[in-house]
Amino acid sequence: SYVLTQPPSVSVAPGQTARITCGGNNIGSKSVHWYQQKPGQAPVLVVYDDSDRPSGIPERFSGSNSGNTATLTISRVEAGDEADYYCQVWDSSSDHLGAVFGGGTKLTVL
Amino acid sequence: QLQLQESGPGLVKPSETLSLTCTVSGGSISSSSYYWGWIRQPPGKGLEWIGSIYYSGSTYYNPSLKSRVTISVDTSKNQFSLKLSSVTAADTAVYYCACSGSSFALAVPIWGQGTLVTVSS
Repeated sequence: SYVLTQPPSVSVAPGQTARITCGGNNIGSKSVHWYQQKPGQAPVLVVYDDSDRPSGIPERFSGSNSGNTATLTISRVEAGDEADYYCQVWDSSSDHLGAVFGGGTKLTVL
Repeated sequence: QLQLQESGPGLVKPSETLSLTCTVSGGSISSSSYYWGWIRQPPGKGLEWIGSIYYSGSTYYNPSLKSRVTISVDTSKNQFSLKLSSVTAADTAVYYCACSGSSFALAVPIWGQGTLVTVSS
């Protein structure tokens, strides 16, 4: 089955740029989605289809996807961005169609 | 505005069947624009996709759970359901119902609030 690999943690100072990666075999050929999850809350979609933002998501959140790595970039990081972030794709490369999540990355704002 | 709400027992005994229902409001479960699904999260761990169903009845299951999972739709009640059989403590998790949209490249823009299901005798 398809595997998505994320770093367990990323730390960044307020006002700086955070980059969270999501690795997968030829992930550049898939649509990658990113979710933010704060403690005790349901996940929130922050980027879909590699680089699109749902309404209400700040422009500080952006995404890119190429080769074997997709990246979520958060510019001008704020304290409120501290959360777990998950990448997700739909995998149809095996003998089935299914959603796959990365293991998650905890973003710490120093 | 589409909204989802999970309901069902919060405690299930080992070897029994976990049953949850998701009620859809603000839209029709028969819409061709959506996939309806379930995602779970064990305490302190990451997200795991369980499965999804399309309005046509086509189902897609996580291979690791496929032998124990059934997802179905009740159009008369605008609900969809999850059944997970032969549960063990490893199935203890927060269970989310979710809606994937074709206009979002099948991302999940809409989630239920989640419901904690504990497997214990």
